[in-house]
Parts: sequence; C-alpha cells; structure tokens
Amino acid sequence: QSALTQPRSVSGSPGQSVTISCTGTSSDVGGYNYVSWYQQHPGKAPKLMIYDVSKRPSGVPDRFSGSKSGNTASLTISGLQAEDEADYYCCSYAGSYTVWVFGGGTKLTVL
Amino acid sequence: QVQLQESGPGLVKPSQTLSLTCTVSGGSISSGDYYWSWIRQPPGKGLEWIGYIYYSGSTYYNPSLKSRVTISVDTSKNQFSLKLSSVTAADTAVYYCARVPVPIVVSPFDYWGQGTLVTVSS
Repeated sequence: QSALTQPRSVSGSPGQSVTISCTGTSSDVGGYNYVSWYQQHPGKAPKLMIYDVSKRPSGVPDRFSGSKSGNTASLTISGLQAEDEADYYCCSYAGSYTVWVFGGGTKLTVL
Repeated sequence: QVQLQESGPGLVKPSQTLSLTCTVSGGSISSGDYYWSWIRQPPGKGLEWIGYIYYSGSTYYNPSLKSRVTISVDTSKNQFSLKLSSVTAADTAVYYCARVPVPIVVSPFDYWGQGTLVTVSS
C-alpha cells in the first residue's frame, strides 16, 4: 500500500481536461509545498512534470498544471493529447525522517 | 543532457545481496550540485524511495529499509551503487536511479534512469 493515494485510472477524450488526485496526510502533502508529479510511458524513465506543487520544469507544456488543497494535491492536464497517455505518479516530502513518499500511480487513457 | 543507466544482475537468490550500479553520463557526480538516489517499484505497485548519497559519501536511507541498504559512490567512475542484503521475493522490483538537485529537501527527482528489473527467486 502506497503512502499517497491516487486513483488507479482516469480517462478523457482528446481536447478535454482531466484531473488526477493525490491524497496524503498533514505529515506529507498537507504539511509541505514539495509535491512533484512524474509521467511515465511504458518502458521509459519517469519524467518530472510538476514540482513544488505547481511549478513546471522548462520544456513541460503549460497544459500541465498542479495545485494543492489541504492534504490533497492535484495534477490537471488540459487539452488532452494522445501522447499524454501514460502513468502518472505523485511524490511528497514527508519530513526529515521519512523524507519522500510516493503515490501508487494513475493510468491515464486518452480515448 | 545528463543520462543515468542502471546495471546489474536481473536475478538474485533469496537471502543473498542485490547489487546494482548507476552510471551517470553528461555530468559529474563530483560537481556537488546534486544528490543521487535509488527508488524501486514492485510489479503492479507504487514507487518506494530507497535512499540517497552525496558525492562526499554522505548517505540517508529509508527507515523501513535502513538495516539492509548500503549506497556507495565511486567518483572516479562517475557511478553510484546500491546493495540490498537478505533479499526476499518482496524485493522483486524495477530499480531506478535518479538525480536530486541541491538543496535536497526542496528539490524533486529531476532525471531518472530507465530502470532495471530485479527478480528474487531460487
């Protein structure tokens, strides 16, 4: 069982928006603004998409956005494209003892 | 652009020690600008952070694995390594190496290797 809870799967049609949630506790997601999101295509290395809750690394399309409310972080992908179909993982800093925790991953299907 | 590549045996017997190496190219481990980490993903499950090392040799491990984990660095080869002792089937996973910019607490894993599957079986 992963420390952070994500839906197993979400889906959307091209052009639509989807939101993936990531629920933790006040000891991780709710306690720090250090949530990151990773995209992973089959057989490929995970790719950083969002960090510090809502910041995008250079080169990541602005269709990807992040937010947080309480103990739940969210990744929103607008204007869905076929290449967005992948697994998405959230990660949160969880204090100096545990350091980092991850979610179980969400499979995004573009219909 | 930095690249990370994991290598090591794909099959380990129960009770033995799993050993993997991550080779970094396109950047120097000794730069001091990054920490170097191991993360794993059991089949069908989520990711689990294992530990990290700095070029100086300073390490920190996931408390749940601390008693069995050793991470070391070889700056001359631009590599860092993972050893996990007394493995069981529960240690079967894809193992990833990843980079974390300094300062470590506030930084994400910005580059990852492609991962290598290690199966624990007799």
